[in-house]
Amino acid sequence: GQNIDQPTEMTATEGAIVQINCTYQTSGFNGLFWYQQHAGEAPTFLSYNVLDGLEEKGRFSSFLSRSKGYSYLLLKELQMKDSASYLCAVNQAGTALIFGKGTTLSVSS
Amino acid sequence: DVKVTQSSRYLVKRTGEKVFLECVQDMDHENMFWYRQDPGLGLRLIYFSYDVKMKEKGDIPEGYSVSREKKERFSLILESASTNQTSMYLCASSQTLNTGELFFGEGSRLTVL
Repeated sequence: GQNIDQPTEMTATEGAIVQINCTYQTSGFNGLFWYQQHAGEAPTFLSYNVLDGLEEKGRFSSFLSRSKGYSYLLLKELQMKDSASYLCAVNQAGTALIFGKGTTLSVSS
Repeated sequence: DVKVTQSSRYLVKRTGEKVFLECVQDMDHENMFWYRQDPGLGLRLIYFSYDVKMKEKGDIPEGYSVSREKKERFSLILESASTNQTSMYLCASSQTLNTGELFFGEGSRLTVL
């Protein structure tokens, strides 16, 4: 089986930096995805990590440590539009993505 | 751009009715998926398909079936809807199963009375 944990809610202020953690236990690990989902909308792809290390993409970065079963999504220079749910999802070989329960981020001014 | 289209955004059905949720993708993707999303439970995989006429159960297949007669279309069927199937249903597609980014439809919100 698999288990994916991430915090339920986080709050931050505009301009700040926030780190959303995700821990997982799974067999046949084949990569980790982060998705963003605004209220009432479909999830959209943010990042994909399959090797250890940091992947940077503009204001968003994602980190993976396979040995620790750990990933984080780092959001810099927060904007109000970053208020959304952030979904961590693990890819197991030969099957579909399994999602964590999501972290709802609220950004205030 | 990939487009995944779900036939109905909102549906209201009665207990015991047969319900069809349709999903069509236009990018010739091999793989298609059905998830349901509930508050506090996140996205849970119901079924997926990696080829025409092929299907695999996900984590919560009970009470559901699927059909993939054509590559671009993946249908979710509730043979006899129950109130605990009230949920948001999300269809997705991807080019590759193991490493492929999922592209989601807008979702179908089903209410079973």
